[in-house]
Amino acid sequence: DQQVKQNSPSLSVQEGRISILNCDYTNSMFDYFLWYKKYPAEGPTFLISISSIKDKNEDGRFTVFLNKSAKHLSLHIVPSQPGDSAVYFCAASAQAGKSTFGDGTTLTVKP
Amino acid sequence: NAGVTQTPKFQVLKTGQSMTLQCAQDMNHNSMYWYRQDPGMGLRLIYYSASEGTTDKGEVPNGYNVSRLNKREFSLRLESAAPSQTSVYFCASSDLGTGLYGYTFGSGTRLTVV
Repeated sequence: DQQVKQNSPSLSVQEGRISILNCDYTNSMFDYFLWYKKYPAEGPTFLISISSIKDKNEDGRFTVFLNKSAKHLSLHIVPSQPGDSAVYFCAASAQAGKSTFGDGTTLTVKP
Repeated sequence: NAGVTQTPKFQVLKTGQSMTLQCAQDMNHNSMYWYRQDPGMGLRLIYYSASEGTTDKGEVPNGYNVSRLNKREFSLRLESAAPSQTSVYFCASSDLGTGLYGYTFGSGTRLTVV
């Protein structure tokens, strides 16, 4: 049973608009949630994270929201830029241990 | 600042051959991980080492073995390669107790088993 799910395989947005990437999880023991960005032929790079004691974390154009009751988190990118085009992975871990990843969402930002 | 270095970057094996994927990190991290990524899928944990001297199975360990050679190096061995092991393999490292800071990944090894 997949514990971390990203139900949208792809998302296309116009440059300057908001990108919203979603992620759902099933394991209530998860207490750290992270987003990674991956370009082709490269390894994933850490983007932003949030702990379960918070409901929002912001870093520049990137904001992650956590809704614990719904077991749902989202990544907002505002404004979106063509360089943001990549695969975004949601990941979750319990007590800073090993992470479980979603299948990824491919974001395309059109100029 | 090399970070996490994986070798080789590409490899083609015949079914039944063996090989070792090498991974080294220079960030003095305690924990190291091996993940595989298949097309259209996320990263699945093969094995991990929470600290030097320890290794544990992840989600998909069958057909693999690992060695934590020292704090810097964590290798992944395929004893008898199978076509189902065709994948991109990523090594990662992290510090203990840094759940908010994520992993540092290598650039991957693209393995094809024919």
